[in-house]
Amino acid sequence: DVKVTQSSRYLVKRTGEKVFLECVQDMDHENMFWYRQDPGLGLRLIYFSYDVKMKEKGDIPEGYSVSREKKERFSLILESASTNQTSMYLCASTTQGRYPYEQYFGPGTRLTVT
Amino acid sequence: DQQVKQNSPSLSVQEGRISILNCDYTNSMFDYFLWYKKYPAEGPTFLISISSIKDKNEDGRFTVFLNKSAKHLSLHIVPSQPGDSAVYFCAAGGGGADGLTFGKGTHLIIQP
Repeated sequence: DVKVTQSSRYLVKRTGEKVFLECVQDMDHENMFWYRQDPGLGLRLIYFSYDVKMKEKGDIPEGYSVSREKKERFSLILESASTNQTSMYLCASTTQGRYPYEQYFGPGTRLTVT
Repeated sequence: DQQVKQNSPSLSVQEGRISILNCDYTNSMFDYFLWYKKYPAEGPTFLISISSIKDKNEDGRFTVFLNKSAKHLSLHIVPSQPGDSAVYFCAAGGGGADGLTFGKGTHLIIQP
């Protein structure tokens, strides 16, 4: 069974703080993704990575950066948190094999920036 | 421009009846479609998928239909159960996009 874990379920941070969200998957998947989910907007892709040290911008990368130093770990960094980054953050992973589209999601981190 | 559209933000269905969730897409290059189910405070879980070379895929109570000419897919749940109450996301893969393109979701409510 694929398992994707995220470091925190709930997080409260102050405006201007640097925030790290960690994601770990245990299925040796090559691809990893960070999304944010907001009511009425669905899931929007922030960044993704096809391999260690590789990263690509998604649809809404502004205000975020990522790090992938190990295959199983993909970190999302909010350089200076702002209130409009209050959201549910979801990490996902998938193989590059036969079904590259079937992404497996972590439980999510509900981030509140005050 | 929204490439995957779920035009019904919510849908209410009586327990035991059929639930039909709809999804439209605009990018004809999409070649794989998926449905995800999401409970509050949890990540989405994969439900069922269909390749563009098929027009139907069935898995237990869940069936996905694809009409490529209309760029439309639907998810049928029969019979609907209380545990089916969740937000359902339609997603599409391929089409030159990286990863998946998601719709905004439909909140399905199963009434007892």
